Amino acid sequence: AQKITQTQPGMFVQEKEAVTLDCTYDTSDPSYGLFWYKQPSSGEMIFLIYQGSYDQQNATEGRYSLNFQKARKSANLVISASQLGDSAMYFCAMREGRGNTPLVFGKGTRLSVIA
Amino acid sequence: GAVVSQHPSRVICKSGTSVKIECRSLDFQATTMFWYRQFPKQSLMLMATSNEGSKATYEQGVEKDKFLINHASLTLSTLTVTSAHPEDSSFYICSARVFAGGIGGELFFGEGSRLTVL
Repeated sequence: AQKITQTQPGMFVQEKEAVTLDCTYDTSDPSYGLFWYKQPSSGEMIFLIYQGSYDQQNATEGRYSLNFQKARKSANLVISASQLGDSAMYFCAMREGRGNTPLVFGKGTRLSVIA
Repeated sequence: GAVVSQHPSRVICKSGTSVKIECRSLDFQATTMFWYRQFPKQSLMLMATSNEGSKATYEQGVEKDKFLINHASLTLSTLTVTSAHPEDSSFYICSARVFAGGIGGELFFGEGSRLTVL
């Protein structure tokens, strides 16, 4: 079964508008971390934001915020005031447990910001 | 912040040759590094977990004899694609985490290596 599901292969957003990228996850481990990465066409993976399973408040980092709904097992990324430079692939990922475990990635969402 | 450096960024080789990709943690020690593979327009798939001083742990379906991983020091892991074939052409990217415990700690990624096998 998919551990990370991103149902939007592609999204378009007008410059300066906000956009939400969906992510749902599946785990039975009470300890887990959720991550969002941005991958521009150059291929590098840029860390955006992190949410721990025990965190009470939604994570925010500048224009990025994570809408964490634990009961629904969703961790949507909200980008406010979109910029042309935000056009890229966005990956949601999860790490389970407390050990040095790898990230498992969703299939990604390609965001295109329109001027 | 922590930096992971990967080299080479691009490599083109002939079918049947071997290619080595290096992954270095520049300002921290990484007892564990992860190697991912990404085909065009697809997600990152974990290939193996590289452990310093011990054998790598490979994911199901990844040939350990074809993708040799060596983690000889706390700052260097190498991936060698042996007897490369065109189907091995892909984007290979390594990653490492600063913290060994807890659930926090972002995974830092190298710049990636784009392998093209002719």
